Amino acid sequence: SAVISQKPSRDICQRGTSLTIQCQVDSQVTMMFWYRQQPGQSLTLIATANQGSEATYESGFVIDKFPISRPNLTFSTLTVSNMSPEDSSIYLCSVEALAGTGELFFGEGSRLTVL
Amino acid sequence: LAKTTQPISMDSYEGQEVNITCSHNNIATNDYITWYQQFPSQGPRFIIQGYKTKVTNEVASLFIPADRKSSTLSLPRVSLSDTAVYYCLVALYSSASKIIFGSGTRLSIRP
Repeated sequence: SAVISQKPSRDICQRGTSLTIQCQVDSQVTMMFWYRQQPGQSLTLIATANQGSEATYESGFVIDKFPISRPNLTFSTLTVSNMSPEDSSIYLCSVEALAGTGELFFGEGSRLTVL
Repeated sequence: LAKTTQPISMDSYEGQEVNITCSHNNIATNDYITWYQQFPSQGPRFIIQGYKTKVTNEVASLFIPADRKSSTLSLPRVSLSDTAVYYCLVALYSSASKIIFGSGTRLSIRP
């Protein structure tokens, strides 16, 4: 298993500002995944972050809007840049504790509200 | 990635067995079927995974017919605490896998 801590758990932000979400895992993992979950919706994969390489973004998500860092095997950050009300969502960090199993472990999520 | 289709919502009562079926007509030979459970204000939680026939753990059973074009998650004797959204996923899991969630089934359990 894996225990994931995310910060902040929630925040209220002003339009045009940026916020960085931190994700800390209690074990070393190869890949970390960032998801977005809009109210009442399913999860949408934003990007996959490998340590030591550029993140891989899904269609509809770009690095300028959602820059990701992955400085080591236990930590990652996701920045939501130049926020608008449409960015109000829960952002979830996830890892596959054992690569290739398909068993993901999730943090509690970071609930962002953009005014 | 194989697309999945699930009922949007289901209702049941405490003590009943609940079966949620997921269709995945385009499942590939090496794809696995995985189910997650999500409570409000929490991240999804892995429930069960299977490739064929039947898998059972302490939480649920997963039934997969021979053609693997569908699967059924079975929750025995549900309680109010089983009220959640249940997601069916189908993917080839490898070192480069990315895991995509479908729309999910919102299960409501009543007293």
